[in-house]
Amino acid sequence: EPEVTQTPSHQVTQMGQEVILRCVPISNHLYFYWYRQILGQKVEFLVSFYNNEISEKSEIFDDQFSVERPDGSNFTLKIRSTKLEDSAMYFCASSTRQESYGYTFGSGTRLTVV
Amino acid sequence: QKEVEQDPGPLSVPEGAIVSLNCTYSNSAFQYFMWYRQYSRKGPELLMYTYSSGNKEDGRFTAQVDKSSKYISLFIRDSQPSDSATYLCAMRSGTASKLTFGTGTRLQVTL
Repeated sequence: EPEVTQTPSHQVTQMGQEVILRCVPISNHLYFYWYRQILGQKVEFLVSFYNNEISEKSEIFDDQFSVERPDGSNFTLKIRSTKLEDSAMYFCASSTRQESYGYTFGSGTRLTVV
Repeated sequence: QKEVEQDPGPLSVPEGAIVSLNCTYSNSAFQYFMWYRQYSRKGPELLMYTYSSGNKEDGRFTAQVDKSSKYISLFIRDSQPSDSATYLCAMRSGTASKLTFGTGTRLQVTL
C-alpha cells in the first residue's frame, strides 16, 4: 500500500538552529500538508500546499516556518531558528484532491529542541 | 468553548465489548467528519469518514454523525486487543483544507 515517508524519524537540535524535515508524499497526490503534535496535546494543522503554493496556513505557521517542494518527490518543512516550544512530532500528509475526505499521514519526525 | 471536544480517557474494555467513542464540536461549518487511529509514536491512520449527517458502517466499525446535536460517534464491535490505540476525531468545513482534531481517546482492550 502506498505510504508517506518522513525522514528523519527523530532529530535533536540546539535552540536557534535551523532544521529541515523531509517528506516523500504518495506519488500521485497533489495536495500536501504539515501537522504537528506536541506531547500530550492534539494534532494541529500547520500548512497546506498545492501547485507550488501555500493554500492555507495556521497562526502557528509564522515567519520561522517555510515549506518547499524542491523536486517532484520531496516536500520539506524548514524551521529557521528553533525554539524549545517547537519540540513536537511533525506529521506530513498528502491527498489526491482537496475534497478528499481523509489524508494519508506519515509516521512523523520527532523534533527535540534542547 | 473548544472547537472539538473529546474525552481523553483512558477507556478500558474487555475483549469482545462494544466500544463507543464520541466527539462534540461547536463549528456548524464542519461538513466532513473522520476518525483516525493512532498507535504510539505513529502517524494517524484513517479509519472512517462521513459527509454531513448519517451512519456509515465498515466491518466492525460504525461512524455516526448528528449535525443537529453537533455530535459524532465511532462504534467498535467485538473489540480486539489490537484495537488498543488512541482514536482521534477530525473534521473540516467544505471550504477549508485543514483538519481540526480532537485530543484523542486512549482505548485499551484487555484479554
